[in-house]
Amino acid sequence: DAGVIQSPRHEVTEMGQEVTLRCKPISGHDYLFWYRQTMMRGLELLIYFNNNVPIDDSGMPEDRFSAKMPNASFSTLKIQPSEPRDSAVYFCASSSRDGASGNTIYFGEGSWLTVV
Amino acid sequence: QQQVKQSPQSLIVQKGGISIINCAYENTAFDYFPWYQQFPGKGPALLIAIRPDVSEKKEGRFTISFNKSAKQFSLHIMDSQPGDSATYFCAVLYSGAGSYQLTFGKGTKLSVIP
Repeated sequence: DAGVIQSPRHEVTEMGQEVTLRCKPISGHDYLFWYRQTMMRGLELLIYFNNNVPIDDSGMPEDRFSAKMPNASFSTLKIQPSEPRDSAVYFCASSSRDGASGNTIYFGEGSWLTVV
Repeated sequence: QQQVKQSPQSLIVQKGGISIINCAYENTAFDYFPWYQQFPGKGPALLIAIRPDVSEKKEGRFTISFNKSAKQFSLHIMDSQPGDSATYFCAVLYSGAGSYQLTFGKGTKLSVIP
């Protein structure tokens, strides 16, 4: 299996610009998670979906952040407008609660975002 | 409120030594306790996990010890190797009442020196 695929791997953008991060979960997984990792705050859950439906977005820091999952194989996390404090590594992860690997959450390699 | 507290923040161990990382949690409703390993530039990957009805789980050199009454669990790495140098995260999962959320500790950076 190809694993969770994220793009872009690295992005440098100017403050005020729109940023779109993309994720392809593992085929067959019905849960998708977006996490943010910073030195100060560690790994924070931003939002998660079940069967393409957002379940909990209480971790989304503010209205500048939005996430969508139009189908089972694609999700986006959008920041508009971006600010320097949004600089972080953003991870997408997916999981299936069924089967032998139930409760294992698989992470992508992350999108490294720098806002200057 | 921090749902899981992890210590120490960093750890230096000699090759062949035992590395011990501890975590404490508050909510007794958590039902799955994994440890994740993260190498620089990579995403976290599941290392080993335990359910609350078991007090210990061992996989190779890695052991989780779980103390339900104290609400604590720990990761022991026996015969630590330089290749184990990474950041380790404990996590707690709540999967009840329509929820399915994995919350991480702040991480422990382990350095194994030859």
